This record gives sequence, C-alpha cells and structure tokens, in this order.
Amino acid sequence: DTGVSQNPRHKITKRGQNVTFRCDPISEHNRLYWYRQTLGQGPEFLTYFQNEAQLEKSRLLSDRFSAERPKGSFSTLEIQRTEQGDSAMYLCASSLAQGQIYGYTFGSGTRLTVV
Amino acid sequence: AQSVTQLDSQVPVFEEAPVELRCNYSSSVSVYLFWYVQYPNQGLQLLLKYLSGSTLVKGINGFEAEFNKSQTSFHLRKPSVHISDTAEYFCAVSGGNTPLVFGKGTRLSVIA
Repeated sequence: DTGVSQNPRHKITKRGQNVTFRCDPISEHNRLYWYRQTLGQGPEFLTYFQNEAQLEKSRLLSDRFSAERPKGSFSTLEIQRTEQGDSAMYLCASSLAQGQIYGYTFGSGTRLTVV
Repeated sequence: AQSVTQLDSQVPVFEEAPVELRCNYSSSVSVYLFWYVQYPNQGLQLLLKYLSGSTLVKGINGFEAEFNKSQTSFHLRKPSVHISDTAEYFCAVSGGNTPLVFGKGTRLSVIA
C-alpha cells in the first residue's frame, strides 16, 4: 500500500470553472476526510465519510462545494464556479474507524490556484 | 467543541539547541491530542499522540510532548534540533468521535 494518493497535485483554473479532485485512501481505511489549508493556516475540516456515508457536511464552505465517495473507496471533491478565494491546498486523509485514536494518514494534497 | 491555540507562529532556533513548541487546547470532553509535521509541499505526518496514561509521550525523530490537564497544554519538545527539523508543526485535538481540529501551526526554522 502506497498511502493516501491525491490527484492532481496542482490545478490552475480560471475563475468560474468547475474543478474536481480525487483521493484514493489506504485500502483498509473506512474513514476519509477532506481538509482545506490556506497559506499560513492549519488544516480546516470540510467533510468526512465512513465507507460511502457522508457523516458530516455542514462544514463545507458553501453550496459550491460537494464531495462523494461512491462504493466507499475513492472520493472526489468538486468545487463549482470557482472563485479566487478558493485558492488553497486541499488535503485528503484516511483512517480506521477509530481515527481519533490511531490518527490520520494524509495525502500530499492538491494545490488549487484560481486565476 | 474543541479548539487549539498554538502560541507561537514562528520559532527560530540554532542547530543542536533545544526547542519547545507550545500548544493549548480547549474542550468540554476528554480529548485525544496529536502533533503533526508538514514539510514543504507535502502532506502532514504524525509525530506523536496522547490518548491516555503516561503524560509524557515520545514520538518519531526524537520529539516528545507532555500532556498537562490542569494547564490544558500539550507542548512539543526536542532536546537538540537538526537542520532537517525545519518544517511547520501542527497541534491537533479530537474529542470523542469528532474529526481532528488543528491549530494554525508553528514554523520551526533551524539555523546553522
């Protein structure tokens, strides 16, 4: 297992375009988390899944943000009608069900630049 | 709800000197505490964690942290730093079954 994989590593898009990021978790991890990290800040929680069920989505920044995890494996995070303020690093992490005990394994992130 | 305050945004220190990175947390329930390290253009890597038991926790790369319930602190220490320790360090807290909440981070700069 090569850990948590995120693609693409970098994405540059024009304002108003839609973007989608993918996260492949560690195969035996049933929890998957999305965080956003802006420059000089810590990771900010967005949403998480247990298997295919999205357990928390109230922290998604607006209705332009959505996430899916079909079949409980990989996950996608979509941002519609991107704005310059969406420029950030988007981090994905996965864990076993007791993630608060074992800790999370993070991917390397997708850096989004909206121009 | 839980929150974390990292008291120093930047900490410069000379190579082979000791360092302490401070973290205070707030929670109405029992907590689990973590320190993560982030190198440039990389994700976060777990350094150490406190779940219960001994208040002194040892982690990777020679780091350790001490849980102090009365002061609601979880400070990270290393007796002798190396150039390779230059990175961003994040303290995080989880209460019960909630996702990790991170502090804003402390940038450790080790000077040769």
